[in-house]
Formats: sequence, C-alpha cells, structure tokens
Amino acid sequence: ELKVEQNPLFLSMQEGKNYTIYCNYSTTSDRLYWYRQDPGKSLESLFVLLSNGAVKQEGRLMASLDTKARLSTLHITAAVHDLSATYFCAVDIRTQGGSEKLVFGKGTKLTVNP
Amino acid sequence: DTGVSQNPRHKITKRGQNVTFRCDPISEHNRLYWYRQTLGQGPEFLTYFQNEAQLEKSRLLSDRFSAERPKGSFSTLEIQRTEQGDSAMYLCASSLSGPVETQYFGPGTRLLVL
Repeated sequence: ELKVEQNPLFLSMQEGKNYTIYCNYSTTSDRLYWYRQDPGKSLESLFVLLSNGAVKQEGRLMASLDTKARLSTLHITAAVHDLSATYFCAVDIRTQGGSEKLVFGKGTKLTVNP
Repeated sequence: DTGVSQNPRHKITKRGQNVTFRCDPISEHNRLYWYRQTLGQGPEFLTYFQNEAQLEKSRLLSDRFSAERPKGSFSTLEIQRTEQGDSAMYLCASSLSGPVETQYFGPGTRLLVL
C-alpha cells in the first residue's frame, strides 16, 4: 500500500525566513502534486511535478521532485504571513483497473509569524 | 466561476438518517472523484468515475455509501443510515484526462452526524 509521509507536520516560522517541507512516498508514481488548503476551505492546486528532476516555482514557493529517492520538496523563500496554510503533497497512482487516485500526506500546517 | 461546485456546503443530521450530496464538476472534465477528509488529515480517496462509469471504490466505502454519475455529468454521493464516524468533509474533484492532469477540488460538504 502506498504511503505518503510529510514532515514536518507543523511548522512555525518567522517572516523573511526560508524553510523546506519534505514529502516521501513509498512506491513508484508518475506524478506528484502539491496543494494548499486554508482553514475551512477546499484544496488549491499549486504544482504538478511529472518527471525526475522537475522543478517548478511560483512566487516564494518552489517544488522539486526526485523520483529515484521518492522525494519531493516544497521550499519557501522569505516567508510572508499570506503563506500561512496547510500544504499537502499527493501522489498519483494508477490501479490495475485503469483508474487513478491521489494518495495524500497528512499535510504540513505552516504558520508564518510577523 | 466555472469551478467544481458542491451542495449542500453543510449538513447536520441525526444518526440513522440518509443524506445525499451533489457535485457538479467542471463542464468538460470526464473524470470525477470523491474524497473524505477528517480533521487534521489529508483527503482519502473514496471513489472514481470516468464519464458515467464508476471504475473504483475504496475499501473505505462501506455498503452504506453509494455514488452515481448519470450521463457523465453531475455526481451524487449518498450515505444511508449515517453513523457518527461518517462526520467529515466530503470533497469532490474533477479532471480532464491527459498527460498533465490536475484534479480540481470543490469547496466540500461538511457533514456532522449527531
């Protein structure tokens, strides 16, 4: 059974600092996603990573994928308060029946303090 | 706004009652997913439709749960004889099959079973 582990689960950081969230997964997958969720809200897609070595950046967030290590990172640069949210990584797996589903990590709750 | 919509947004019911949720996907999307999210956890896959065909059901989906997607458009998720353990956020997502596929999530239906 595929397992997706994120760490840390809770992250409190000061504005202006840098930090990295890690996502490890236990089996081969074609795609890895990062989503953001604000309290009481649904999930917003941030990044889709499709291949080994893929790197994508949007604003202060940068995501990378190492399929050999089964590891993805989400790096936060010069954090600002607006980045406070819960961040999920999710791995796409294809079943024998041809369907696809996302398996999510538990999420990293990020709080950026002034 | 042409995103994924879900109704109702909130539902409070008594144990033993039946409830039905509706999801309207993004109009051109052929794939539709249901997930369940409990507090402090990532979403867990429940079921998947490609067009009108239900291709996979999670073991989490007991016999009390049934989902349909008539004509490959909107979908309904029904829970019969609700239990307190069914209390959760029920999320619907849709996607268009392709090489860069992203699941877009609706706002969710928060269910509370008393």
